[in-house]
Amino acid sequence: DIQLTQSPSSLSASVGDRVTITCRASRSISTYLHWYQHKPGKAPNLLIYAASSLQSGVPSRFSGSGSGTDFTLTISSLQPEDFATYYCQQSYSSPLFGQGTMLEIK
Amino acid sequence: QITLKESGPTLVKPTQTLTLTCTFSGFSLSTSGVGVGWIRQPPGKALEWLALIYWDDDKRYSPSLESRLTITKDTSKNQVVLTMTSMDPVDTATYYCAHYIRVAASSHWFFDLWGRGTLVTVSS
Repeated sequence: DIQLTQSPSSLSASVGDRVTITCRASRSISTYLHWYQHKPGKAPNLLIYAASSLQSGVPSRFSGSGSGTDFTLTISSLQPEDFATYYCQQSYSSPLFGQGTMLEIK
Repeated sequence: QITLKESGPTLVKPTQTLTLTCTFSGFSLSTSGVGVGWIRQPPGKALEWLALIYWDDDKRYSPSLESRLTITKDTSKNQVVLTMTSMDPVDTATYYCAHYIRVAASSHWFFDLWGRGTLVTVSS
């Protein structure tokens, strides 16, 4: 079975910071990797699909990169509304989510 | 505009069977390249995928829960139903349904739109 490991599990940052979250797969998944933002009480929101494609309507400060086993989600300049939990998800095999990265205000 | 909404009991007793309904609009589950999935989130924990059903009635289940899950669709009603047997307090979670779609001319599938979820508590 494919495992996904996100790091860090939590992160404190300030508005305006550049933030990078990583997701590592236990074996190659090509670019079958997607990123979601989740805020308490809300529906999760797709940010990036196929490792690097920005979902329609998502601000351009979000970007994704990677292929194979190592992937990153980058927020170029944190905005107040970006404080949330972020999940990666692979679709190379049956869907599987990473354990999440909680992004908190410093 | 695609919308999805989960409905079902908020409280179930241990050993009972949970039945959740996802009612959607803005797409048809008879259209090629479309699916609906169920995902849950226990309090304070991560998202966990449960089940998928595709436009062609193909079904996929989480290996760890497969023996307890059944997913079905009613295309005429725009509904997808998930049943989970032998409920236990550890199954307490917010349950989401989501639209599952693939990028045209590719095999990249992902959950592009989600319902707001429904909290199910398992307690006697």
